[in-house]
Amino acid sequence: DVKVTQSSRYLVKRTGEKVFLECVQDMDHENMFWYRQDPGLGLRLIYFSYDVKMKEKGDIPEGYSVSREKKERFSLILESASTNQTSMYLCASSSGGGNTIYFGEGSWLTVV
Amino acid sequence: AQKVTQAQTEISVVEKEDVTLDCVYETRDTTYYLFWYKQPPSGELVFLIRRNSFDEQNEISGRYSWNFQKSTSSFNFTITASQVVDSAVYFCALLGRSSNTGKLIFGQGTTLQVKP
Repeated sequence: DVKVTQSSRYLVKRTGEKVFLECVQDMDHENMFWYRQDPGLGLRLIYFSYDVKMKEKGDIPEGYSVSREKKERFSLILESASTNQTSMYLCASSSGGGNTIYFGEGSWLTVV
Repeated sequence: AQKVTQAQTEISVVEKEDVTLDCVYETRDTTYYLFWYKQPPSGELVFLIRRNSFDEQNEISGRYSWNFQKSTSSFNFTITASQVVDSAVYFCALLGRSSNTGKLIFGQGTTLQVKP
């Protein structure tokens, strides 16, 4: 069975904190993604990785960085969390091409 | 430019009614892929179906069916005999072959409420 696991479902962090959102997939997929979902704005791509140590900016990379040291793991980092980063974050993976993109359960982040 | 439009923001039906969710897409790619995802209140995006641009056969999976028509650039989703558990937000998405990021283009989603 396909599995994309996000380590934290609900987080509350303070403004200025460094935040790590972790994502692991067990399908040996090359591609991994981080999306952000907000009411009225839909799903927006933050970063994308097509291989270990490779990354590409998505539509809204400002304020975020990513790390992919191992194929199965893709981390989203908020260097200094701000209240406007309060959102639902979704990790996804795929084997590339036009193959199906599978999503994790989502991480609800509140920055206070 | 690529775009997905789900014109229906919210739909409310009574259990056992049939309901169709509309999806219209725009792309200049000749090869592309279309998807439907379900997002229940818990938040995860559940994959429902993937269809490539060369396969216009309609598909049925239990109470779910999909109608893909390239002539009208539509990929509509029908739930037959709806159930309360079908209540969720449904997203249609497009992946163009020209995309070098594998980025899905999502519609804004349709919120389906099925009342008992």
